[in-house]
Amino acid sequence: TQLLEQSPQFLSIQEGENLTVYCNSSSVFSSLQWYRQEPGEGPVLLVTVVTGGEVKKLKRLTFQFGDARKDSSLHITAAQPGDTGLYLCETGANNLFFGTGTRLTVIP
Amino acid sequence: DTGVSQNPRHKITKRGQNVTFRCDPISEHNRLYWYRQTLGQGPEFLTYFQNEAQLEKSRLLSDRFSAERPKGSFSTLEIQRTEQGDSAMYLCASSSLDRLRTTQYFGPGTRLLVL
Repeated sequence: TQLLEQSPQFLSIQEGENLTVYCNSSSVFSSLQWYRQEPGEGPVLLVTVVTGGEVKKLKRLTFQFGDARKDSSLHITAAQPGDTGLYLCETGANNLFFGTGTRLTVIP
Repeated sequence: DTGVSQNPRHKITKRGQNVTFRCDPISEHNRLYWYRQTLGQGPEFLTYFQNEAQLEKSRLLSDRFSAERPKGSFSTLEIQRTEQGDSAMYLCASSSLDRLRTTQYFGPGTRLLVL
């Protein structure tokens, strides 16, 4: 059983569109992190959410942690080609558990 | 400091050969981690060190895999008698404890292809 389920697995949209990707689990987490990974590179941390219901914004990216701390979403407004990449959610302490990721392609 | 570095970036080898990868963490980070990532999946934890001590190993780390961090700085990951199923991206990360949690910084990875 996958600890973190991400959906959709693949997403291809036109530049300027909005999108939301999801990270779900049956477990409760003390914190959850989102990363973006570009081809041929390692994941880069975007944000950490720790409080149920918390909303954090990073420019055009809005991250939300579910009230029960079992799920999270990432919303991108007016997507740009530079947003293309693999978006991963993750939880854990010393050994991190990653979701399967959402591969986003933004078409110019 | 330019972040975590890994060498080589790419490695192609024949089945049965041994390969060794190197990771240089961010200086003064006392923790170093190895992950494996296959196509279409998120990274999977392999092992981690605190200074030179290897504190945890995943069941994914078979007997053919060995990791070392002899002086508590750089680390090496060796795979003996490589198999085609070992083909993956091998990621290294390093961290130091902060107030809230351990934030790991990833290197660019070594992509291994076993023919």
